[in-house]
Amino acid sequence: AQKVTQAQTEISVVEKEDVTLDCVYETRDTTYYLFWYKQPPSGELVFLIRRNSFDEQNEISGRYSWNFQKSTSSFNFTITASQVVDSAVYFCALSEGSGSRLTFGEGTQLTVNP
Amino acid sequence: DGGITQSPKYLFRKEGQNVTLSCEQNLNHDAMYWYRQDPGQGLRLIYYSQIVNDFQKGDIAEGYSVSREKKESFPLTVTSAQKNPTAFYLCASSMDGGTANTGELFFGEGSRLTVL
Repeated sequence: AQKVTQAQTEISVVEKEDVTLDCVYETRDTTYYLFWYKQPPSGELVFLIRRNSFDEQNEISGRYSWNFQKSTSSFNFTITASQVVDSAVYFCALSEGSGSRLTFGEGTQLTVNP
Repeated sequence: DGGITQSPKYLFRKEGQNVTLSCEQNLNHDAMYWYRQDPGQGLRLIYYSQIVNDFQKGDIAEGYSVSREKKESFPLTVTSAQKNPTAFYLCASSMDGGTANTGELFFGEGSRLTVL
């Protein structure tokens, strides 16, 4: 069975600090996909990134970066120079094979204080 | 604008009553999903549908029912058999549920159900 663990329930930082959100996953499949979603206070989840299991290249998008390491089954998310608008709940998710049935982690509540 | 519309946003129900949550999408997506969100438990899949007139149980389907008579609509009924229905319910859709899918889900803004 697949499982996603986000050990950090809540993180609080001051604006402009860098912050890393941890995600550890378990799966028996060799083909799988990893995702990060952001849930702002309005409630809807917003897609941030998708990674397949064969692509371990790290990715950077503006202030966001992702570090995928199969050796440690981790897919961590770093926000550089955090801003108040980054305050949200962030979810890591996993899907096995080709389907889009996602298993979500418990989420990390990030609060960025001015 | 294209997107997913959930209604109502807030709903109160007395114990023993069934309630139906609406989910409509105009993205022309084949697949639709219902998730339940509880504090500290992330999102759990209730039901999903990959095509009209077909749907499958997710991880926590007991006490819930769905229908998929139209591509754009996937209503969820929370029945009186659901022991702990107070939660935040999220509907989502994706292009399709098969190999062509990028896995990107589009979510509605959710419906918060409170049982009094």
